[in-house]
Amino acid sequence: IAGITQAPTSQILAAGRRMTLRCTQDMRHNAMYWYRQDLGLGLRLIHYSNTAGTTGKGEVPDGYSVSRANTDDFPLTLASAVPSQTSVYFCASSSGSGTGYTFGSGTRLTVV
Amino acid sequence: AQSVTQLGSHVSVSEGALVLLRCNYSSSVPPYLFWYVQYPNQGLQLLLKYTTGATLVKGINGFEAEFKKSETSFHLTKPSAHMSDAAEYFCAVRGNNAGNMLTFGGGTRLMVKP
Repeated sequence: IAGITQAPTSQILAAGRRMTLRCTQDMRHNAMYWYRQDLGLGLRLIHYSNTAGTTGKGEVPDGYSVSRANTDDFPLTLASAVPSQTSVYFCASSSGSGTGYTFGSGTRLTVV
Repeated sequence: AQSVTQLGSHVSVSEGALVLLRCNYSSSVPPYLFWYVQYPNQGLQLLLKYTTGATLVKGINGFEAEFKKSETSFHLTKPSAHMSDAAEYFCAVRGNNAGNMLTFGGGTRLMVKP
């Protein structure tokens, strides 16, 4: 089934540790996104990539980095995790501005 | 710049009653508008969208929404709520020019009482 795969589904991480959240899509969408979801705040954009080889900063990029080496993969890295990065992280992709986004099932991250 | 306001973080209705979830947006360019639904421990699923053309759009599961430019609104409705409609609903706006991202509202949790 075409879509987005995120891994892991959940993780408990010690503060200060490095963590990479994985995101892979098989729809050949050009654009990919990382959002975090926090209660009462909706979804906030962390980073995005309009096409392979390019990335950009969203609303809340601090403490996160991304890379886009190819069309299918868009990993999100926390270099040194802090408790405020406890959240549910969603990866999404899009083929064009009128089509909306396709979302992955999310990664629930707890930083302790 | 664009933003979305969803009035009411929680809405409770009885089964069979009308569902009305409110969404107002601001956008500096003609908007594309979306409603997503999120069931517990799942990702977001597209309910419906407005891009151009007919301002009343129909989506999955009996939901519909009407784009009202004069009111900058895109409220979501369903004539008769089912227990299975209990979920979180997100309104989102996207400018129709290249590079514009989806901006989401804070979400509305719909509860359906038997």
